[in-house]
Amino acid sequence: KNQVEQSPQSLIILEGKNCTLQCNYTVSPFSNLRWYKQDTGRGPVSLTIMTFSENTKSNGRYTATLDADTKQSSLHITASQLSDSASYICVVNGSGGSYIPTFGRGTSLIVHP
Amino acid sequence: GAVVSQHPSWVICKSGTSVKIECRSLDFQATTMFWYRQFPKQSLMLMATSNEGSKATYEQGVEKDKFLINHASLTLSTLTVTSAHPEDSSFYICSARGAPRPSSYEQYFGPGTRLTVT
Repeated sequence: KNQVEQSPQSLIILEGKNCTLQCNYTVSPFSNLRWYKQDTGRGPVSLTIMTFSENTKSNGRYTATLDADTKQSSLHITASQLSDSASYICVVNGSGGSYIPTFGRGTSLIVHP
Repeated sequence: GAVVSQHPSWVICKSGTSVKIECRSLDFQATTMFWYRQFPKQSLMLMATSNEGSKATYEQGVEKDKFLINHASLTLSTLTVTSAHPEDSSFYICSARGAPRPSSYEQYFGPGTRLTVT
């Protein structure tokens, strides 16, 4: 069964600090992995998308890594800001078929001043 | 580009009534649209997938007679919650995919609709 596990479930950090969110998956065969940011009461917004051959991808202060061998990904947030407070969702697409994605439960990040 | 809108953003309805939620792709043709439901502090749960001009495919446990999905055009899909009950109160999010453009893989999410059934 395709699964995406995220950790930690929630995280509280001080403004300006860095943090790393984890995502482990069992989706196979693998097509791509995406990290989304979801503000409360809003739809998810894509941060990064990574395919099998990509190890790292950055989007401003967000850097995602992917190890397709161990089926692990991480999202590193540098110099956190209050506006980074949100839920971060890891989504994995399998290849072939109808590209139905598998969602992780998300990590709730709270940045305190 | 690749903007998806939802209407309304927030709706309150009485138990037993029906409510329709619209999902539109504003600048691309959405060959496939997805409807999700999200309860507080939970991840998105896929309810159904619809391809333009075809009947929607519902996920296990989702009542197709209660959650009516229509994808009559390449830019519009609607979700109608029939005979709504308080337990249907949730955040409903749609996403759209346009293959091959803008991407065969990427889903573009709408901003969501908060449904409260009293």
